[in-house]
Amino acid sequence: DADVTQTPRNRITKTGKRIMLECSQTKGHDRMYWYRQDPGLGLRLIYYSFDVKDINKGEISDGYSVSRQAQAKFSLSLESAIPNQTALYFCATGLTGGETQYFGPGTRLLVL
Amino acid sequence: RKEVEQDPGPFNVPEGATVAFNCTYSNSASQSFFWYRQDCRKEPKLLMSVYSSGNEDGRFTAQLNRASQYISLLIRDSKLSDSATYLCVVNEGSNYQLIWGAGTKLIIKP
Repeated sequence: DADVTQTPRNRITKTGKRIMLECSQTKGHDRMYWYRQDPGLGLRLIYYSFDVKDINKGEISDGYSVSRQAQAKFSLSLESAIPNQTALYFCATGLTGGETQYFGPGTRLLVL
Repeated sequence: RKEVEQDPGPFNVPEGATVAFNCTYSNSASQSFFWYRQDCRKEPKLLMSVYSSGNEDGRFTAQLNRASQYISLLIRDSKLSDSATYLCVVNEGSNYQLIWGAGTKLIIKP
């Protein structure tokens, strides 16, 4: 079984809809991250969490919110989806004191 | 100016050849550096860390040049399976927020 899982893997939605992307991990890592990847750009950090009670905005948090329901779960919500949020979204995990990040398989989101 | 810049490629290289590409970073206070590999439509995976003294792992060698603010990746005896996009990643501080390059695409041809 994969250590970091994301659901759904693909999603098509319409402008204005609220959607949630979910991430679960069995690695026991305390840190979790949400990134988006767009063609020609590097991964950009949306939100990150160093533990259940710690949530931080990343580079591009506008239009997004997150919830860290448990150490193993970190969900990303698009409150009112817009077409320029069409992207590949990755969840990642890491250990405190470690720099390596471990990624889920990604969610492809298309906003029409 | 982008904080981490890479030549997007693609680099088309015959199997067995040696290929190298660089990545430049803008923040001279950057503390640590990495190369990740990303296969088409898949998640990034750590390839190797880049130490001040350089780092070698089999056919892969990574080097850091702090004076000129770039890191490099050299692949020797390239294999078809090396075809991927190579992402340069920089940690600018102590909070483990990583800055990602857009990647260099490598295609190894038989």
